Amino acid sequence: DAGITQSPRHKVTETGTPVTLRCHQTENHRYMYWYRQDPGHGLRLIHYSYGVKDTDKGEVSDGYSVSRSKTEDFLLTLESATSSQTSVYFCAISESKGGQIAKNIQYFGAGTRLSVL
Amino acid sequence: SQKIEQNSEALNIQEGKTATLTCNYTNYSPAYLQWYRQDPGRGPVFLLLIRENEKEKRKERLKVTFDTTLKQSLFHITASQPADSATYLCALARDSSYKLIFGSGTRLLVRP
Repeated sequence: DAGITQSPRHKVTETGTPVTLRCHQTENHRYMYWYRQDPGHGLRLIHYSYGVKDTDKGEVSDGYSVSRSKTEDFLLTLESATSSQTSVYFCAISESKGGQIAKNIQYFGAGTRLSVL
Repeated sequence: SQKIEQNSEALNIQEGKTATLTCNYTNYSPAYLQWYRQDPGRGPVFLLLIRENEKEKRKERLKVTFDTTLKQSLFHITASQPADSATYLCALARDSSYKLIFGSGTRLLVRP
């Protein structure tokens, strides 16, 4: 999975508890992304990062926050988990060198399956 | 906003035949269109990228076409094999953005 490690791979939690998912890359890529994947919706962008401490919202950012203190780590936090956040979460990275095409090609981690009861 | 439509019904074909998957989009024409493969329990894997000024792109048994007039891309797998069974996702990018918009994917089943 292109030097991308997501942890944990599976998590079950209760409504109202905070949850943090971690994405760690060894590729030194500039861009990192968090997606959620739900049946019938495909992959939807939650937040993304274009550098250390540089992040922005995606399509479905409500209820999520992110942080990137190092190039290699991108954290996704659910401040107070809800059942609607039960999903599979994917981290992705893309390169900044090589022009626009390289930036567009994304490499994904194996995903984290989160269940909020 | 941009929307992508992929056939939600699974495509079931016989080994050796050509599989053709469709990706339709609305609104603006993307600068780049990509296809990814996703196996159960795994993350998507990049397959091919085609630019808006390219009509066709090939890689081994894979072929992608891009028709900006029809707002459609076709993804072909020739001489299909059971190992090609997976879900295939279409993704679009605007020229000024590195953010992708994904379709919900089409599942391909290749019978031996």
